Amino acid sequence: QSALTQPASVSGSPGQSITISCTGTSSDVGTYNVVSWYQQHPGKAPKLMIYEVTKRPSGVSNRFSGSKSGNTASLTISGLQTEDEADYHCCSYAGSGTWVFGGGTKLTVL
Amino acid sequence: QVQLRESGPGLVKPSQTLSLTCTVSGGSISSGFHYWTWIRQHPGEGLESIGYIHYSGNTNYNPSLESRVTISVDTSKDQFSLNLSAVTAADTAVYYCARLANDAFDIWGQGTVVTVSS
Repeated sequence: QSALTQPASVSGSPGQSITISCTGTSSDVGTYNVVSWYQQHPGKAPKLMIYEVTKRPSGVSNRFSGSKSGNTASLTISGLQTEDEADYHCCSYAGSGTWVFGGGTKLTVL
Repeated sequence: QVQLRESGPGLVKPSQTLSLTCTVSGGSISSGFHYWTWIRQHPGEGLESIGYIHYSGNTNYNPSLESRVTISVDTSKDQFSLNLSAVTAADTAVYYCARLANDAFDIWGQGTVVTVSS
């Protein structure tokens, strides 16, 4: 059960769009449409932003969207805002009741 | 709305057992569709699932930790607990409790820092 692979960091300017990738295997991301994304500000608990690949919880801005192709899931943030600067973690169901996370991606809004 | 809060010692000696409790407020832990989980985050790293429990007592653990982990539930107190035995410095982390619902961890506690040191 290996961790999902995310880029260590991404950056963008206010108003731009960025995409964070999350690469797994055919045992997790590739098989299950159970990918979620979490935003984490420094010293705070993670916050659910996307679940079941594309769904947004109530209250989450529609600037956040998710997708998946093969073994790779992606989180896109459009119209970047300064408050989007945070760490982002992906997570996938990996079968047999187990869950695997990515290593996290630090988003910097320049 | 449902809130979670972790409690327990912030310092544990090597080889001892780490014990944490998560208290659920604003709702019942006995909801049939939810699971109650423990997740940890090593300093500067990503998240790691430890395991989870249903109010019925059914559990599931991360295979890498399974030999040292026990998660239990007390429905009368709306609490669930984590015991991690034989800890080492590698278990130093922020420990979160969270609710697993709709295939995602939708509600989190604020986290508690646990340091393993003599």
